[in-house]
Amino acid sequence: KNEVEQSPQNLTAQEGEFITINCSYSVGISALHWLQQHPGGGIVSLFMLSSGKKKHGRLIATINIQEKHSSLHITASHPRDSAVYICAVSYGNKLVFGAGTILRVKS
Amino acid sequence: DTAVSQTPKYLVTQMGNDKSIKCEQNLGHDTMYWYKQDSKKFLKIMFSYNNKELIINETVPNRFSPKSPDKAHLNLHINSLELGDSAVYFCASSQAGQGATTTIYFGEGSWLTVV
Repeated sequence: KNEVEQSPQNLTAQEGEFITINCSYSVGISALHWLQQHPGGGIVSLFMLSSGKKKHGRLIATINIQEKHSSLHITASHPRDSAVYICAVSYGNKLVFGAGTILRVKS
Repeated sequence: DTAVSQTPKYLVTQMGNDKSIKCEQNLGHDTMYWYKQDSKKFLKIMFSYNNKELIINETVPNRFSPKSPDKAHLNLHINSLELGDSAVYFCASSQAGQGATTTIYFGEGSWLTVV
């Protein structure tokens, strides 16, 4: 079993909907990362969290260290948000990735 | 100006060939990485270098040899390419190691297809 589990694996939403992607992990971490990968594109770091909550535009990331859980929220989703969203955790000298959530936002 | 750049973006080559992928970062970071993304989009660390020194080598076949001429460059050379090497290879960099509280910056990826 991977140390990082994401849900859902696939998500289809209608434009304008509020979207939540979840990430659970099983180890003590120094940081959690949310990454975005567009089809055929590179990987962009959206957030790095070690506690609390961060917001950037329509994206919000939260982390609960005690529950070993993080969520990525997208408000007022748009077709350009369609991408793979990857959760990754840093611990020891490792960075371990989740399997990713494929998001498709329809107009 | 691209922070982490890697070339080539696409590479199609025959089995048995030797190929290289180059990576450069202009962020002044001490640590650079190579990650492999398989067909299911799953990412795994291959190598990590800190200031030109190998820190992590994750049981990668010795056909893969990273080379870091200086801390801004980390190239990946692959000998005797096999079909199973087909994947997307991502270079990345960060100020501190990947286990630390540090943002990791990725390149655009190199799509390798072995035929």
